[in-house]
Amino acid sequence: AQSVAQPEDQVNVAEGNPLTVKCTYSVSGNPYLFWYVQYPNRGLQFLLKYITGDNLVKGSYGFEAEFNKSQTSFHLKKPSALVSDSALYFCAVRDPYSSASKIIFGSGTRLSIRP
Amino acid sequence: SQTIHQWPATLVQPVGSPLSLECTVEGTSNPNLYWYRQAAGRGLQLLFYSVGIGQISSEVPQNLSASRPQDRQFILSSKKLLLSDSGFYLCAWGGQTNEKLFFGSGTQLSVL
Repeated sequence: AQSVAQPEDQVNVAEGNPLTVKCTYSVSGNPYLFWYVQYPNRGLQFLLKYITGDNLVKGSYGFEAEFNKSQTSFHLKKPSALVSDSALYFCAVRDPYSSASKIIFGSGTRLSIRP
Repeated sequence: SQTIHQWPATLVQPVGSPLSLECTVEGTSNPNLYWYRQAAGRGLQLLFYSVGIGQISSEVPQNLSASRPQDRQFILSSKKLLLSDSGFYLCAWGGQTNEKLFFGSGTQLSVL
C-alpha cells in the first residue's frame, strides 16, 4: 500500500533563509509525487509535481523539490523564505501501479517564517 | 476554465442528525472525484473517491457514505452524525491522468 510521511509537525525559519520541508514515501512502483499548500480555512493549492524526468522540479512561488529514489524522499525547498510562505504544506503520493485514482496525503507540516 | 463548488462553507449539526454535503465541478467531463477529511487543521484522510457515475471507492469504514448521481456531482452523506464526524471536509477533482488535484474551499462541520 502506498504511504507518505512528513516527519516534522512544524518548521521555523527566519525570513531570507533557505527552507526545507521533508517528505518520504512508500509505493510499489515509480511514484507520482506532489506538494500542496493550504492557507487558513481554505482548500489546498497545487505547488509542484514529479512524474518522471529531471529529479529537481520547480513549482509555484519559487518552491522546488528534489526527488531522491534511493532515499524515497521528495523534500520541498526554497532558497530564500518569505513571511508570506507561512502556511500548512502537504506532500502527496500516487502509486500508478495500484488504483489509478488513489492519492494519499501526508500529515502536513506547518511552516512558520519569522520576520 | 474548470471550477469546483463546495457547500455549505460551515455547518453546525446536532448528534444524530443527517448530513448532506455537495460538490460540483464545471468545465470538465468525467473527472475523478474525491472527499477528504481534515481533523484539527492537520492531515488529510481520504474518505471516498470515484472514477465515474455510480462508482464509489471507500477508504475508511465509517459513519459516512458517498454518491455520484451525475458525472460532475459528488455527495457526502450520513444518516446519523456522530461527534467524531466533526472536521473540515474537502472535495477535489482530478483529470484522468490525475497529475494534480483541484480542491474546493471546504466545509467546516461541527457536530454538537
